[in-house]
Amino acid sequence: LAKTTQPISMDSYEGQEVNITCSHNNIATNDYITWYQQFPSQGPRFIIQGYKTKVTNEVASLFIPADRKSSTLSLPRVSLSDTAVYYCLLEGGATNKLIFGTGTLLAVQP
Amino acid sequence: DTGVSQNPRHKITKRGQNVTFRCDPISEHNRLYWYRQTLGQGPEFLTYFQNEAQLEKSRLLSDRFSAERPKGSFSTLEIQRTEQGDSAMYLCASSPGTGVSSYEQYFGPGTRLTVT
Repeated sequence: LAKTTQPISMDSYEGQEVNITCSHNNIATNDYITWYQQFPSQGPRFIIQGYKTKVTNEVASLFIPADRKSSTLSLPRVSLSDTAVYYCLLEGGATNKLIFGTGTLLAVQP
Repeated sequence: DTGVSQNPRHKITKRGQNVTFRCDPISEHNRLYWYRQTLGQGPEFLTYFQNEAQLEKSRLLSDRFSAERPKGSFSTLEIQRTEQGDSAMYLCASSPGTGVSSYEQYFGPGTRLTVT
């Protein structure tokens, strides 16, 4: 099964930029890279999705190198409310890749 | 708010009882997914529908689990003869299934099941 690998946890302070990297060596040609955020006792929330190079929206940026075997979620100027678990996921229609893993627990401190 | 809704939000049942959960996806989303999540773990894929057709079931989905999506709108997930190991958060998600955002999943708040 395709698998993604992320750091288990990261610490940051308010106002800093946070970069979370995900490895996905088995990415397929038709896979998109998607990042989700999850707070306790809530369902995951879509953050951003990309296929290659760089994607930016109002909350984050996603950097994808040319070989697409990794991706980096960038959160500019985090706040306490960004403390959550972040998951990367490969999505391209093949459900055998819908493996969230344990995600990255981001803890933002004042 | 026209997001994904799930009912009930919480369910406590005794071992051996049957339970049914409902998911109402975002209107016009073709794909609907069910996941199960236990404490400290990411969501585990259970099954998904493209319109009314159930296209895939995970091996995690034992014979006691069944899901339906009549008419391609809402979906139900039933667990028969519940076991304590079924205690988890059951999450539903939907995605457009077509277009640029076809694979972006939008999750509901989940149904927390406790089997005593």
